[in-house]
Amino acid sequence: GENVEQHPSTLSVQEGDSAVIKCTYSDSASNYFPWYKQELGKRPQLIIDIRSNVGEKKDQRIAVTLNKTAKHFSLHITETQPEDSAVYFCAASIDDMRFGAGTRLTVKP
Amino acid sequence: NAGVTQTPKFQVLKTGQSMTLQCAQDMNHEYMSWYRQDPGMGLRLIHYSVGAGITDQGEVPNGYNVSRSTTEDFPLRLLSAAPSQTSVYFCASSYDSGSGNTIYFGEGSWLTVV
Repeated sequence: GENVEQHPSTLSVQEGDSAVIKCTYSDSASNYFPWYKQELGKRPQLIIDIRSNVGEKKDQRIAVTLNKTAKHFSLHITETQPEDSAVYFCAASIDDMRFGAGTRLTVKP
Repeated sequence: NAGVTQTPKFQVLKTGQSMTLQCAQDMNHEYMSWYRQDPGMGLRLIHYSVGAGITDQGEVPNGYNVSRSTTEDFPLRLLSAAPSQTSVYFCASSYDSGSGNTIYFGEGSWLTVV
């Protein structure tokens, strides 16, 4: 099955700085790559996704890039705010969805 | 607009006991799945179903059974609970498997096995 690796496991940035989280996947047949944000004690919620026929997608301060050849994709958050502090998960999907281990992002005011 | 509903939210079990985590969705989604979440290990797929009557194993299926008799319901059964099954369990559903359809999660079930 698909194997997704995510780095770093923890990330601390100053408010206003950018944050980048990277993921790699193993199965070249994966065609859908979502990112989820999970706040403490809550369920994961989709923040952005990208499909295999697209190289980059942006939604306000959040962007995702995909490199199919290298089998990696990244989440970019610009102008970080304290409310961005959470655990972020990447995932890759073919017939089922597999998740990375998560990145705990802390934005310091 | 209920979405994905899981019960119970919290449960304490003794080693060797059995129990069922219930999951129901009202979005007419074909794809349903169960994940467990442990610190530092992300969300690991236990079992999934692409439609009524069809189930398949994920990454960590041992010790768990599922069935999908209706489109709406996808219960997860722990046959003989072990302390290693202490975790947070999330049920999720999607319009269909793969192909870029958003997965929606339930609120989670916190299970402790003592």
